[in-house]
Amino acid sequence: AQKVTQAQTEISVVEKEDVTLDCVYETRDTTYYLFWYKQPPSGELVFLIRRNSFDEQNEISGRYSWNFQKSTSSFNFTITASQVVDSAVYFCALSEASTALIFGKGTTLSVSS
Amino acid sequence: NAGVTQTPKFRVLKTGQSMTLLCAQDMNHEYMYWYRQDPGMGLRLIHYSVGEGTTAKGEVPDGYNVSRLKKQNFLLGLESAAPSQTSVYFCASSSVAGGYEQFFGPGTRLTVL
Repeated sequence: AQKVTQAQTEISVVEKEDVTLDCVYETRDTTYYLFWYKQPPSGELVFLIRRNSFDEQNEISGRYSWNFQKSTSSFNFTITASQVVDSAVYFCALSEASTALIFGKGTTLSVSS
Repeated sequence: NAGVTQTPKFRVLKTGQSMTLLCAQDMNHEYMYWYRQDPGMGLRLIHYSVGEGTTAKGEVPDGYNVSRLKKQNFLLGLESAAPSQTSVYFCASSSVAGGYEQFFGPGTRLTVL
């Protein structure tokens, strides 16, 4: 069965700190996809990244980076030099070849100035 | 392109009333989904559709019905609303299932008194 665990319910940091959001997943398939979505206070869901199970390369996009490790079934998300605008709920999600997304419960990140 | 739109944005119902939430997408996507978001629970799949005229149950389908009479529209119905259905409802669409990005609507906040 598929499962996504985001053990950190809430994280509070001060601006310019680095912060890592953890995501651990479970799946029996060898082909699967991992996602991160951001939900700012306005409520919409913003797509951040998609990774397939065959691509373990880490990715960096500006202040955002993602570390995918199949050995530990983790897909962690790091924000470098956090800013107030990063305050949001962040969701990690998993899908297998022909299924909808299974979401984690989310991590609420609060960045104070 | 409007992307994915949802109607209405807010609604308050009394227990036992019925209503229909409308989702429309203009991206010619085959797949459409309805999720509900509850505090601390992430998003959970209610029903989904893999094409016009087809629907299937997700993780939490009880109390809901859906229809996909046109490719661009996906309707979610509550026949007899209950307070447990108080939630934020998100519609999403994707061109293919599984590993492709799902595009989300802005959400509908439903309160059942």
